[in-house]
Amino acid sequence: DVKVTQSSRYLVKRTGEKVFLECVQDMDHENMFWYRQDPGLGLRLIYFSYDVKMKEKGDIPEGYSVSREKKERFSLILESASTNQTSMYLCASRSGGQGIETQYFGPGTRLLVL
Amino acid sequence: LAKTTQPISMDSYEGQEVNITCSHNNIATNDYITWYQQFPSQGPRFIIQGYKTKVTNEVASLFIPADRKSSTLSLPRVSLSDTAVYYCLVVLYNQGGKLIFGQGTELSVKP
Repeated sequence: DVKVTQSSRYLVKRTGEKVFLECVQDMDHENMFWYRQDPGLGLRLIYFSYDVKMKEKGDIPEGYSVSREKKERFSLILESASTNQTSMYLCASRSGGQGIETQYFGPGTRLLVL
Repeated sequence: LAKTTQPISMDSYEGQEVNITCSHNNIATNDYITWYQQFPSQGPRFIIQGYKTKVTNEVASLFIPADRKSSTLSLPRVSLSDTAVYYCLVVLYNQGGKLIFGQGTELSVKP
C-alpha cells in the first residue's frame, strides 16, 4: 500500500511565524502535491513538483513556498503565517508522467494561525 | 478547465444502492474521470477511475456514456460507514494528471 505521511495532524502557530509542513511518501513517486481544503471551497492546489528540486505553482501559491530536496519529501513553507492561512493542508503523491496514475493523499494537517 | 457538477448532498438507507451522477461537459478527449471518497479529518481516498463505458472494482462501479459528458458512481448496498463526501474529478491527462476538485457530494447513510 502507498503511504503518504504528514509531520503533524494538528498545528497551532502565531501570526508572523514561519511554518514548515512536511510530507513523505514511500512509493518512489515522482510527483508530489500540496493542497489546502476550506469549507465551501473544496480542495485547491497550492504547489506541485514533478521531480527533485522542481516545483510548479498551482492555483493559489501566494504566501507559500515549497522545497523538494529529496524525492520522497515535499515541504510546504509559510514564510510568515497569517490568519487566512488557517486551513486543512493535504499532501498527495503519484507516479510520474502524463496519464492516469492515481494521486494518493496523506491524512492532512489542520493548521490554526492565531 | 474541465469542471464537474454534482449534487451537494444525498441521503440513503443501509442496504440500498446509491448512484451519484456528475456532469463534466467540457471534458477533453484524453481526460479521465475519477472518484474519491473523504471522511472527516482525513485525506481523500481513491475509489475508481474510468474513461468510458463501465468500470467495476470491489468497492464501486462507474458508468460513463458514450458522449462522456457525465458519469455515475454506483455504490452497491451501502452501509453506515459509507457516509462521506464523494468527489467527482476530471484527470487532466495533458497536464500531468492534474485534478480539479469540485464541492463534492455529502452522502448520508441512515440505519
